[in-house]
Amino acid sequence: RKEVEQDPGPFNVPEGATVAFNCTYSNSASQSFFWYRQDCRKEPKLLMSVYSSGNEDGRFTAQLNRASQYISLLIRDSKLSDSATYLCVVRVRGKSTFGDGTTLTVKP
Amino acid sequence: SQTIHQWPATLVQPVGSPLSLECTVEGTSNPNLYWYRQAAGRGLQLLFYSVGIGQISSEVPQNLSASRPQDRQFILSSKKLLLSDSGFYLCAWSVPGALYNEQFFGPGTRLTVL
Repeated sequence: RKEVEQDPGPFNVPEGATVAFNCTYSNSASQSFFWYRQDCRKEPKLLMSVYSSGNEDGRFTAQLNRASQYISLLIRDSKLSDSATYLCVVRVRGKSTFGDGTTLTVKP
Repeated sequence: SQTIHQWPATLVQPVGSPLSLECTVEGTSNPNLYWYRQAAGRGLQLLFYSVGIGQISSEVPQNLSASRPQDRQFILSSKKLLLSDSGFYLCAWSVPGALYNEQFFGPGTRLTVL
């Protein structure tokens, strides 16, 4: 079993749709959690950190469930520019483990 | 503000040739530095990390090595490249002394070994 597993995707949604990604992790000692966005052939860029209380940044909402060991990312009112691969990242004692990513394509 | 540079941006090398990729960070002191490799359609694999000059930890045994000759310089090397070394190499930094913080990535080097 992989340490970090993401929905395989791809997700193809129309503009304006709401889409949710899930990510599960196996190490209960995991300390911090992040979502990154990666455009084709580019470096990953930090989208948001994920806190136990949940956090929101505009159209993006991240949630953490430590008991079930999963994190989620919700994107509301999808834009064409949201098309990218979304990477789930879990950190334990300074080391990050990345999921393989979920690809989102938003269509007109 | 902090910036991170990598070069070259792309590289095509024959099997058995040497490799040297460079990463430098500006705007911060004593950052934690990381080398990752990403295969096509996959997540990132941590290769090396460093918490200070001359301090290198290797995560995956392979024919690659890393060095940190200066505080904000991180170099990835190989004496003889393999076909399996092809991939997207990413350097990243994080705030020194903070193990839980986010990482920031450089633009990457796309390596093709023929």
